Amino acid sequence: AQSVAQPEDQVNVAEGNPLTVKCTYSVSGNPYLFWYVQYPNRGLQFLLKYITGDNLVKGSYGFEAEFNKSQTSFHLKKPSALVSDSALYFCAVRGSGNYGQNFVFGPGTRLSVLP
Amino acid sequence: GAVVSQHPSWVICKSGTSVKIECRSLDFQATTMFWYRQFPKQSLMLMATSNEGSKATYEQGVEKDKFLINHASLTLSTLTVTSAHPEDSSFYICSVSETTYEQYFGPGTRLTVT
Repeated sequence: AQSVAQPEDQVNVAEGNPLTVKCTYSVSGNPYLFWYVQYPNRGLQFLLKYITGDNLVKGSYGFEAEFNKSQTSFHLKKPSALVSDSALYFCAVRGSGNYGQNFVFGPGTRLSVLP
Repeated sequence: GAVVSQHPSWVICKSGTSVKIECRSLDFQATTMFWYRQFPKQSLMLMATSNEGSKATYEQGVEKDKFLINHASLTLSTLTVTSAHPEDSSFYICSVSETTYEQYFGPGTRLTVT
């Protein structure tokens, strides 16, 4: 069975500073990895995904993530944080098998960007 | 990506009544839709996979007689919470997948049962 861990419940960063939101995973076979962002009382918005290829993946709103197979990690990064980036971020993994049933989310990390 | 809508966005109902939530795929014909539930400050939990023209597949621990799912067309799936109780109060989110990879989510429906 696959699982996703986001070790930090909360990340605080000053506006303009780089940010990192951590994610580690466990899955059998090759992982498909995703990052989503959720604003209050809204559904999830897709940010980026890793399926195969280059370990550094670039996504929406200036976010990027690096896939590290040896460390089973997929940390989300942004070079310069904005106050509007403050939201709840979810890492998700999909392993082998039926894609619906095996789409697992992490517990989420709340990012606060301070002006 | 796919655009997904949900209706209503917020509903309050009395205990014992039933509530229907609609999920529409606006620009994509979705043979499969997914229903999730999210409690405050918690992650999403997959409830069921909705298949067009056939019965939904429920996750372990989800009562299929309580959470009725109907996927009558390629653009519409409905979730009916029957005989709702306060513990059913939650944020319900649906999603579709254009490929076998990412999913695209609706804006969610907040259900409050009094």
